Amino acid sequence: GQNIDQPTEMTATEGAIVQINCTYQTSGFNGLFWYQQHAGEAPTFLSYNVLDGLEEKGRFSSFLSRSKGYSYLLLKELQMKDSASYLCAVMDSNYQLIWGAGTKLIIKP
Amino acid sequence: GAVVSQHPSRVICKSGTSVKIECRSLDFQATTMFWYRQFPKQSLMLMATSNEGSKATYEQGVEKDKFLINHASLTLSTLTVTSAHPEDSSFYICSASRSDTEAFFGQGTRLTVV
Repeated sequence: GQNIDQPTEMTATEGAIVQINCTYQTSGFNGLFWYQQHAGEAPTFLSYNVLDGLEEKGRFSSFLSRSKGYSYLLLKELQMKDSASYLCAVMDSNYQLIWGAGTKLIIKP
Repeated sequence: GAVVSQHPSRVICKSGTSVKIECRSLDFQATTMFWYRQFPKQSLMLMATSNEGSKATYEQGVEKDKFLINHASLTLSTLTVTSAHPEDSSFYICSASRSDTEAFFGQGTRLTVV
């Protein structure tokens, strides 16, 4: 079956760095997405990786290793507004998104 | 980035009535649109995939006669929840794909059936 695993909840301190991991097993691979979701809102696109390596975009970076079925989202200089759920999703061979359950990130002052 | 507009953002309807949700790609042609439903504290659940000009493909367990999907053009897909019941209350989200590698999400629609 298809499976996306990511931690349920993480806690970090304002100003620090946090890494949210995601491992996946899917039928085919057409890219991995990271989304941010605040409570009651639709997810917001953060990043997309289809090739191995690190993609940096401001305070957020995303890494992919296809051979390991592994990705992480790195958040630097954490701000209180970064408190949200972070969703990892993989597009499979049928171009459908397979979603992880999300990681709730709690930022403390 | 590309813009996907979903309307309405919130809707309250009476039990037994039907509700239509629109998903529009504003600045690109979306060959494929996806409809998701989010249950509280759970991941998004894919309901169906629609390709322009053809019938939608529904995921197992999703009633196609209850959740009618139409993708009549490359910029518009609609989801109609027919004979809505309180258990249909949920957050519905669409996404549109303009190529084989990108998907953009609408703002979501919060449906409350009373």
